Amino acid sequence: GNSVTQMEGPVTLSEEAFLTINCTYTATGYPSLFWYVQYPGEGLQLLLKATKADDKGSNKGFEATYRKETTSFHLEKGSVQVSDSAVYFCALSALSGGSYIPTFGRGTSLIVHP
Amino acid sequence: EAGVTQFPSHSVIEKGQTVTLRCDPISGHDNLYWYRRVMGKEIKFLLHFVKESKQDESGMPNNRFLAERTGGTYSTLKVQPAELEDSGVYFCASSRNIDTGEQFFGPGTRLTVL
Repeated sequence: GNSVTQMEGPVTLSEEAFLTINCTYTATGYPSLFWYVQYPGEGLQLLLKATKADDKGSNKGFEATYRKETTSFHLEKGSVQVSDSAVYFCALSALSGGSYIPTFGRGTSLIVHP
Repeated sequence: EAGVTQFPSHSVIEKGQTVTLRCDPISGHDNLYWYRRVMGKEIKFLLHFVKESKQDESGMPNNRFLAERTGGTYSTLKVQPAELEDSGVYFCASSRNIDTGEQFFGPGTRLTVL
């Protein structure tokens, strides 16, 4: 079956540090890949996505590249801010039984200190 | 456009009691999904409605869980009788299309069973 593995947190960084959150996946076929973010007290929001190999998703300074050869979709940001503190979920979506049901990772908590 | 809303935000009940969670999707979204996240673990799919019909309920853990979506608008998820292992955060999501995997999430209901 499909699965997503992401690095355990929490990840604690100082403001303006470089961020990498690793995500690898196992899937049959050609899934779409997503990063969702959950800010405190809110629901998950789509951060970025990539639908095919070598696509790069980007939003709000975050980037992730769909690497089919390494089955990875690592999230990066060059300079984090305190406001980026949240839980980040990597997910894949593949056709199953006629619909696309996402498979999520466990989430990685990011804490950014001033 | 209002987002996905869920009620209540928190619920604390005793083992053996009944709890009903409600989800109001974004207007016009035919697809409605329920998920559950147990502390620190993956977000697990429970079921998927297309309008008022259950498209996929393969993730429902057992027959103590009953989901309905009368009229194809809001949905309820009833747990009866609740057990300790049912504790977690229950998320609802909706989408207009099912072919991209992108969904819009509510803030979740935190259920604690004592």
